[in-house]
Amino acid sequence: GQQLNQSPQSMFIQEGEDVSMNCTSSSIFNTWLWYKQDPGEGPVLLIALYKAGELTSNGRLTAQFGITRKDSFLNISASIPSDVGIYFCAGQLGTGANNLFFGTGTRLTVIP
Amino acid sequence: EAQVTQNPRYLITVTGKKLTVTCSQNMNHEYMSWYRQDPGLGLRQIYYSMNVEVTDKGDVPEGYKVSRKEKRNFPLILESPSPNQTSLYFCASRSLAFAYEQYFGPGTRLTVT
Repeated sequence: GQQLNQSPQSMFIQEGEDVSMNCTSSSIFNTWLWYKQDPGEGPVLLIALYKAGELTSNGRLTAQFGITRKDSFLNISASIPSDVGIYFCAGQLGTGANNLFFGTGTRLTVIP
Repeated sequence: EAQVTQNPRYLITVTGKKLTVTCSQNMNHEYMSWYRQDPGLGLRQIYYSMNVEVTDKGDVPEGYKVSRKEKRNFPLILESPSPNQTSLYFCASRSLAFAYEQYFGPGTRLTVT
């Protein structure tokens, strides 16, 4: 499968701080997605991005589809304890059916 | 409620004892997939299926089997589990028309001793 490099691998932050994480690939993707996995649960879709340069927000979350179509960024503002979890990026490549590839995840810990 | 269900949620077993993890979705999705999640390695695809009776290998298929006899069900079979298959397993499904809306099950934590 395609390699998506996600960084950082883990983060420890104080409540109220802003968070940034990113995902890069050597391939060009048609769609970038960001998922969150709460402890003990499966990943849930947070944001979907469909074109290069697109900036989309979902509450305190903002994600951007990189201009080169090879990267994406997720920012969380004013973090709260329930932001704890693993954040995965995913890229959709081409038009084949099995074309969704996941990053390795960023584990976020928020210290109250 | 649209959902993907998996059973069991937790399983401890011994090496070599065949087991099946069930997965079912109620969204009439064509595509279903199994992943395993290990620390630092993210989600790695085991097998996927694009429709009934159509299955194919993902990135880490060794030691696993699947079947897709009905559209809603996609069981994962470990014929002879080994300790290196200790992991967290997720089933997922999506419509091929809306490929980005992939729904995940709650996960099955498997320990093989």
